[in-house]
Amino acid sequence: DQQVKQNSPSLSVQEGRISILNCDYTNSMFDYFLWYKKYPAEGPTFLISISSIKDKNEDGRFTVFLNKSAKHLSLHIVPSQPGDSAVYFCAAILKGASGGSYIPTFGRGTSLIVHP
Amino acid sequence: DSGVTQTPKHLITATGQRVTLRCSPRSGDLSVYWYQQSLDQGLQFLIQYYNGEERAKGNILERFSAQQFPDLHSELNLSSLELGDSALYFCASSEGALSPTDTQYFGPGTRLTVL
Repeated sequence: DQQVKQNSPSLSVQEGRISILNCDYTNSMFDYFLWYKKYPAEGPTFLISISSIKDKNEDGRFTVFLNKSAKHLSLHIVPSQPGDSAVYFCAAILKGASGGSYIPTFGRGTSLIVHP
Repeated sequence: DSGVTQTPKHLITATGQRVTLRCSPRSGDLSVYWYQQSLDQGLQFLIQYYNGEERAKGNILERFSAQQFPDLHSELNLSSLELGDSALYFCASSEGALSPTDTQYFGPGTRLTVL
């Protein structure tokens, strides 16, 4: 049973436009959310995060929005650039450490293609 | 370059065999995490070590084991391999283990193919 769902396997966007990647979660005990970006033949790279006490976090062209009541978060990339083409993973961390550690639960990823 | 190294990059082996995947964390990082990514799946957490001790365990099969050595590098041992074990195996490291803001840095992964 997937606790973190990325229902769109892929997304295609024109350069300069907005990319919106969506993520839904089922466990209301998730407290902290992260987005990772992954290029082919590389490991995932941390992109941006948001705590459940916030509803928005911005870092340059990247903004993450959190809607706790809907158990939904989204990553907005504005403007999109061809170099943003990658797989984006959403991840969530439970409130309270499990055995002293915070282990993220990952979605399956969305492949973003930004066309020049 | 994340600073996390994994060897080998590719591994092809047969069912029933045993393999060892190696990970060197970033300098100064005490935590090492292992993840498995099967085709079209998200990253599945396997196990975490912190400063040489097992800290958290995920969906790791009994046929799999790991350890972290005094120099903080880690090895993931996979035995009695099955076709379904074919996957990308990622190692990640972080400075600590006690905060959700502790960023994980991932290595490039080892692609295991079991024939």
